[in-house]
Amino acid sequence: DIQMTQSPSSLSASVGDRVTITCRASQSIKYYLNWYQQKPGKAPKLLIYAASTLQSAVPSRFSGSGSGTDFTLTINGLQPEDFATYYCQQSYSTQITFGQGTRLEIK
Amino acid sequence: EVHLVESGGGLVQPGESLRLSCAASGFTFSSFAMSWVRQAPGKGLEWVSGISAFRLTTNYADSVKGRFTISRDNSNNTLHLQMNSLRDEDTAVYYCAKDVPGPTLWNYFDYWGQGILVTVSS
Repeated sequence: DIQMTQSPSSLSASVGDRVTITCRASQSIKYYLNWYQQKPGKAPKLLIYAASTLQSAVPSRFSGSGSGTDFTLTINGLQPEDFATYYCQQSYSTQITFGQGTRLEIK
Repeated sequence: EVHLVESGGGLVQPGESLRLSCAASGFTFSSFAMSWVRQAPGKGLEWVSGISAFRLTTNYADSVKGRFTISRDNSNNTLHLQMNSLRDEDTAVYYCAKDVPGPTLWNYFDYWGQGILVTVSS
């Protein structure tokens, strides 16, 4: 299986900050990397697919980059509604795997 | 509008079976691959199984292979997950998720159900 490792596992930030979350794959997954946001008690929400394509209706303060094994999710100008847990997911393999998650908390 | 509604969860004892269902509406169900993703209490997301649009291909996580079976009824727009020989570690919220067609077998999930809790405990 392809292992996905996110860092950091948790992060404290303030409204208006710029934050970056990284995701590393155990082997090259080309650009088959997706990002989700999950709030407590809710289903995950797709933010970015194919490493850098913003899902419809997702605010432009979210952006993604990377290819191969190293990827980043960046949020420019944090808003109160952005405090949540973020997961990366690879779809290169026939067995999908997720990162362990990054919890973004209010400082 | 796309809706995915899971049902069939509950409390079972180790070794027992349970069948989850996911009723889909708002899209042409037969044209899209579907997956089950679970989340143990306080833990991260784990993909469980996927089934292609025309039932030609199914895949499973190693943790459930040989115990779980995914299926779909395209005439009734329903996805199923038959779970046998359940273990304590299968306790989780189970989500059904709609896949988006792309260059790989599974791609990304643009719609998710609200989730259904399965508790395995004696």
